[in-house]
Parts: sequence; C-alpha cells; structure tokens
Amino acid sequence: GQNIDQPTEMTATEGAIVQINCTYQTSGFNGLFWYQQHAGEAPTFLSYNVLDGLEEKGRFSSFLSRSKGYSYLLLKELQMKDSASYLCAVQERSNDYKLSFGAGTTVTVRA
Amino acid sequence: DVKVTQSSRYLVKRTGEKVFLECVQDMDHENMFWYRQDPGLGLRLIYFSYDVKMKEKGDIPEGYSVSREKKERFSLILESASTNQTSMYLCASEIRTGSSYEQYFGPGTRLTVT
Repeated sequence: GQNIDQPTEMTATEGAIVQINCTYQTSGFNGLFWYQQHAGEAPTFLSYNVLDGLEEKGRFSSFLSRSKGYSYLLLKELQMKDSASYLCAVQERSNDYKLSFGAGTTVTVRA
Repeated sequence: DVKVTQSSRYLVKRTGEKVFLECVQDMDHENMFWYRQDPGLGLRLIYFSYDVKMKEKGDIPEGYSVSREKKERFSLILESASTNQTSMYLCASEIRTGSSYEQYFGPGTRLTVT
C-alpha cells in the first residue's frame, strides 16, 4: 500500500513562487503524478515523473527523488487562476493501473 | 481534445435504491477508472477496467460493481445505495504512450443518498 503526505493548505501572493511537497512511503513505486483541481471541477493532468530530477513545463515544474520518497511541484509567477487544489498521486509498481492519491493541497493566491 | 462525460452532475437517491453512474469517453482509450472523492481523503480507486468486459477491484470496491460492455462506456453500479456512499464520483480514462501515462477525468457526479 501507499502512504502519501502533502500539506493541507498553502497561501501565496500573486507573482510569487510556491513549492508543494509530497512525501510517500510505498511497497513498490513506479511513478508519480501531479494533478490540478479547481473547486467543483475535475482534476487535470499536470505532470508525470518516473526518473529522478526536475521536469519543467512552463510555469510549473515537478521534481522527484525516488531514494528519498519525495516529490515537489513548483509553481512560478503565480496567477490568481492558480488558486486550486493540487493532488499528488503515486503509481504502484506491482499494478501500474492503480494510483494512490494524497488528500490534496489547497493553494490560495492573493493579490 | 479528449472528452470524458458522465451521465449526471448531481444525483439524489434514497437508501436501498440501485444507482447507475455512466461514463463515456470518445478517444478509444482502453483503460477506464472509477474513483470517489471525499474531503480529507483524496481520490480513492473503486474499480478499473483495462479492456472490454475486463474489470479489477481497486482499493474500496465494497458495495459497488461495474460493467464494461463497450470500450467507450464504463458504468458504476451501487447495488443498494447507502448514506456512506454519498460522495463525488469521478470517472477517468487513460492513454499510455510508451512509458508515459495520462488520465483524463470526467466532470464528476455528486451523489447524495438520503
């Protein structure tokens, strides 16, 4: 099984940078996903990390350290529309169809 | 654009009723999933299907069943709805390209069981 931990809430100012951490303990790890979910809407895919290191996609970057069981999502040049919940999800090695989600981090961007 | 649709956005049912939640995707994806989302618990996998007529239990299958008669459609069935099944239900379909995975979610069905 998986044990996935991420902060419940974070607040930041427009234009700033925020880093959302996700730690996991797992019996078998294949990869890690980040999703964005605006209130009342479906989650949308942001990133998928399999290898250690940083992957950058525009204002969003995702980092993975497999040995430390740690990932973070970095949001740069924050905009008001980035106010949302960010979900970390771990993919099992034994059954890569199965994702285990963290409870999500609600990010509030203030002007 | 991938489109995943769910039959209802909001649904109210009574305890003991049989409930059908329908999900349709238009991208010929082989893999489809049903999750429920509850505050503080995140998304939890109920069932998934990797092919027509194939299904596999997720982490919380009790009280639910599924049906996949056609590739594009994946149905979640609550045989006898109970109040603890009040939740947001999310369907997803998945594309795999090499070692890359991406799940697309439907808009969700908020089910209330009274």
